[in-house]
Amino acid sequence: EAQVTQNPRYLITVTGKKLTVTCSQNMNHEYMSWYRQDPGLGLRQIYYSMNVEVTDKGDVPEGYKVSRKEKRNFPLILESPSPNQTSLYFCASRDSQNQPQHFGDGTRLSIL
Amino acid sequence: AQSVAQPEDQVNVAEGNPLTVKCTYSVSGNPYLFWYVQYPNRGLQFLLKYITGDNLVKGSYGFEAEFNKSQTSFHLKKPSALVSDSALYFCAVRGSWGTDKLIFGTGTRLQVFP
Repeated sequence: EAQVTQNPRYLITVTGKKLTVTCSQNMNHEYMSWYRQDPGLGLRQIYYSMNVEVTDKGDVPEGYKVSRKEKRNFPLILESPSPNQTSLYFCASRDSQNQPQHFGDGTRLSIL
Repeated sequence: AQSVAQPEDQVNVAEGNPLTVKCTYSVSGNPYLFWYVQYPNRGLQFLLKYITGDNLVKGSYGFEAEFNKSQTSFHLKKPSALVSDSALYFCAVRGSWGTDKLIFGTGTRLQVFP
């Protein structure tokens, strides 16, 4: 089954403790993205990747890092999480420029 | 700069009645527009897209959207609403060519009452 898998689905942690949210897709897609969803703000793009070793900033990249060492994986790294990064995070992938994105089921992060 | 506006936070409609969820956009160049739906505790699911061609685009679950260039709108419609259509709907526009930016509206919650 074609899917985008995120882990963990839920995480409660404390300020300053490094964490990684993994994202994996099994569709051989070139493009992958990370979004955060906050009430009243919709989805905002954090980072995207157009291919292996090619990443770029989205609209809200501060406080986040990503890597794309292999095509299927696109982890989101919070080196020193802060409470304002408490949010619902989505990973997505797509095949080409005009194709729709496939979304994972989300990761709810709470930073205390 | 590209942007998307969804002017209604919530739309309420009775089951069986037609529904419209509004979206307006601002882009430089040709717009590539998308509608997604989000059910509770799930990621977004693609409904339909407009890239070029006919102004009326048909998508999943009986939804359609009308692209209007002069009004810069891309409203989502369905002739007869179902209670199961109740969800959060997002309009999105693709960002600048050569990037993978996708700009989302703030979302509209559709509530269909029996």
